[in-house]
Amino acid sequence: EMQVLESGGELVQPGGSLRLSCAASGFTFNKFTMTWVRQAPGKGLEWVSTLSGTGGATYYADSVKGRFTIASDNSKNTMFLQMNSLRADDTALYFCAKGHYFDLWGRGTLVTVSS
Amino acid sequence: EIVLTQSPATLSFSPGERVTLSCRASQSVSSYLAWFQQKPGQAPRLLIYDASTRAAGVPARFSGSGSGTDFTLTISSLEPEDFAVYYCHQRSNWPLTFGGGTRVEIK
Repeated sequence: EMQVLESGGELVQPGGSLRLSCAASGFTFNKFTMTWVRQAPGKGLEWVSTLSGTGGATYYADSVKGRFTIASDNSKNTMFLQMNSLRADDTALYFCAKGHYFDLWGRGTLVTVSS
Repeated sequence: EIVLTQSPATLSFSPGERVTLSCRASQSVSSYLAWFQQKPGQAPRLLIYDASTRAAGVPARFSGSGSGTDFTLTISSLEPEDFAVYYCHQRSNWPLTFGGGTRVEIK
């Protein structure tokens, strides 16, 4: 069965850093584009970042560019999101999603940025 | 940035009714549009991709249509489990964007 499982979310102070992980199973991870999408409490979906499965190109929303870095460890079937200089408006549930069509999502990991 | 507009934000229906949801793009996205369903406390679920292709396991009562800037998600006969929020999403241009969502609630 194909699955993705996010982890790493927690309470962090403004200006702090956090690394999220997305562990994949049941499919050949490095053949697929993988994406982070977030959802602030009570709000809609916001695209954050994408890592291309072919060539490894990376793409970022303007709101996180220069602060977040997407990467993967194909030997561990895991994608990461390194989040630096965190702000209160980064508070959200962070999902990872598989493929161009986002056909598989995890349950999300909650990041709370607050003092 | 391509803005996707879903209006109204909330619609009320009774089970068994036919539902039509709208998504309008600020510029053409060709057919690179998808629809997702999200229920409280759950991750989004892919329903339709490339405007009109149903994802695996999605009931036939869900259908999508449109191209360019105007798209529609239709639920032919609303089931109790279909009350949820529906989002459209475009992958035509970077940055990828989502619509603000339409909540389908029970009348």
